[in-house]
Amino acid sequence: DAGITQSPRHKVTETGTPVTLRCHQTENHRYMYWYRQDPGHGLRLIHYSYGVKDTDKGEVSDGYSVSRSKTEDFLLTLESATSSQTSVYFCATDGGFSLGEQYFGPGTRLTVT
Amino acid sequence: GENVEQHPSTLSVQEGDSAVIKCTYSDSASNYFPWYKQELGKGSQLIIDIRSNVGEKKDQRIAVTLNKTAKHFSLHITETQPEDSAVYFCAARGDRQGAQKLVFGQGTRLTINP
Repeated sequence: DAGITQSPRHKVTETGTPVTLRCHQTENHRYMYWYRQDPGHGLRLIHYSYGVKDTDKGEVSDGYSVSRSKTEDFLLTLESATSSQTSVYFCATDGGFSLGEQYFGPGTRLTVT
Repeated sequence: GENVEQHPSTLSVQEGDSAVIKCTYSDSASNYFPWYKQELGKGSQLIIDIRSNVGEKKDQRIAVTLNKTAKHFSLHITETQPEDSAVYFCAARGDRQGAQKLVFGQGTRLTINP
């Protein structure tokens, strides 16, 4: 357990509304990741961060933005939520070693109606 | 880019029997292959991993094998127990250049029947 918390844990929102998910870590890990998990697709990388204010796109970044103003916090924003963004979102971190284990948060279940 | 295929999507075995989950990958440059276990309502947790310079690795009841030529790797769980019931994900990663961008398989839901 790398001290990763996610908030909220569950959220129901309407199409077109903005949503922000928060990931908080206490291990001072350099790298942070946002994944979404959907049946039949496994975990897919949305965005990742390699330091404060340093972020880059992953495999499924369309419709999402991220920000990292502090080492411990990584925010995922859906500017205008769509039903296709209904999913379980996981945050992960790793300490930057070449074979470092990636630690996952408990997930946020987001439903867009 | 890398593509990882995982089979089967669901697997049901009797307690005490063995379970095998298989993954294939597409990028011959991938050199690190972790397996993660996800229990209900929780995040994924690393259970075992293997590098491309090794053909097999064991940790108690869990083993992973890697065939670089065929580009596939497998998870073997022996003497299965009820607590092994979970969703298992395989993943692959190329040479690390900065962030560890893992590519995951689709997941296997393993059920151990008492």
